[in-house]
Amino acid sequence: EVQLVESGGGLVQPGGSLRLSCAASGFTFSSYWMSWVRQAPGKGLEWVANIKQDGSEKYYVDSVKGRFTISRDNAKNSLYLQMNSLRAEDTAVYYCARDWASPSSFDYWGQGTLVTVSS
Amino acid sequence: QSALTQPASVSGSPGQSITISCTGTSSDVGGYNYVSWYQQHPGKAPKLMIYEVSNRPSGVSNRFSGSKSGNTASLTISGLQAEDEADYYCSSYTSSSTDVVFGGGTKLTVL
Repeated sequence: EVQLVESGGGLVQPGGSLRLSCAASGFTFSSYWMSWVRQAPGKGLEWVANIKQDGSEKYYVDSVKGRFTISRDNAKNSLYLQMNSLRAEDTAVYYCARDWASPSSFDYWGQGTLVTVSS
Repeated sequence: QSALTQPASVSGSPGQSITISCTGTSSDVGGYNYVSWYQQHPGKAPKLMIYEVSNRPSGVSNRFSGSKSGNTASLTISGLQAEDEADYYCSSYTSSSTDVVFGGGTKLTVL
């Protein structure tokens, strides 16, 4: 059974940093692109970043470029999102998702981890 | 403002059919057959319902179908059931600096 389990969310002050993790199991992690997608409270979905199987390609939404870094450790079946210079508008539930079949299709999602940026 | 435009809400009675539109540009919806649709119930993670415009993942009911014409993609749900009440989001690959864009979401109410 495919499972994605996020962790690392919490309350952080504006300008602070946080590192999210996503533990994958039930599939060959190293064979898939992986993404982070977020959802602000009461709002819609927003794709944040993705990373190629070997980590050689990474893409980001404009609003997080230069502040967030996506990475992966295939030996540990884990995906990460390092978030620096956090802003109030980064407050959201962050989902880890498996890219599948083609760009923009995500067939498995984690349960999400809440990041709250507030003083 | 979301990159893809969806109606904020749609509604229908049990057994009826509804269609949700998703309008983009030639840089996303119109330029590629990489449109997906997701269903999200309150407090739950999204679920992939349609990928590559009109393909259904294994296990998704054939009451759900997708199509595209020009810069607008559509999700049709036939034989509406109470369990279909949820938020629906479209997404597309984009050739802009961002790799993937989502629509703003549509709340489906089953009357």
